[in-house]
Amino acid sequence: EDQVTQSPEALRLQEGESSSLNCSYTVSGLRGLFWYRQDPGKGPEFLFTLYSAGEEKEKERLKATLTKKESFLHITAPKPEDSATYLCAVQPTGTASKLTFGTGTRLQVTL
Amino acid sequence: ETGVTQSPTHLIKTRGQQVTLRCSSQSGHNTVSWYQQALGQGPQFIFQYYREEENGRGNFPPRFSGLQFPNYSSELNVNALELDDSALYLCASSWDRGERGYTFGSGTRLTVV
Repeated sequence: EDQVTQSPEALRLQEGESSSLNCSYTVSGLRGLFWYRQDPGKGPEFLFTLYSAGEEKEKERLKATLTKKESFLHITAPKPEDSATYLCAVQPTGTASKLTFGTGTRLQVTL
Repeated sequence: ETGVTQSPTHLIKTRGQQVTLRCSSQSGHNTVSWYQQALGQGPQFIFQYYREEENGRGNFPPRFSGLQFPNYSSELNVNALELDDSALYLCASSWDRGERGYTFGSGTRLTVV
């Protein structure tokens, strides 16, 4: 069974204090690994898809990386507006391509 | 291009009742998935529809059922509501069973009392 574990559960950073969020996964065959951002009471907002080990993607202050067992979301010089829950999900190969999500990391960035 | 639209945004139902939630997929998308997200948890896969056929189902009982229409919009029906069904229900649409990822709607907050 596909499994995703995210750590830490919660993270509090000061503005400008860089850090990384971890997503460890097990899946029979990986079609893609997704990072989403979710604000309270809202649906997940797409950030990145990574497809193979060694791949990296960047968007503003965020950079996602992928190995065969885990993915990292690096946040460089965060701002208060980066405060949200960050969700990681894996999509297996095959026709029933559901996403299996982790429980997320709640990030709070303070001034 | 329009995103994924869900209705209603909030709903309160009594235990034992039935509920229908609706989702309009993003323009050009032919696949719709439904997820249940309990408070403080990640979304859990309910089922997926591809071109009007169910294409995969998670560990949810048969009282959770769905439909996809020719315009690729979708409904989620839940019968015999239980208190534990209280959650945020998310609809996600995609092209061809998840190619190029999923776009999520803002969800329907269902409260069962």
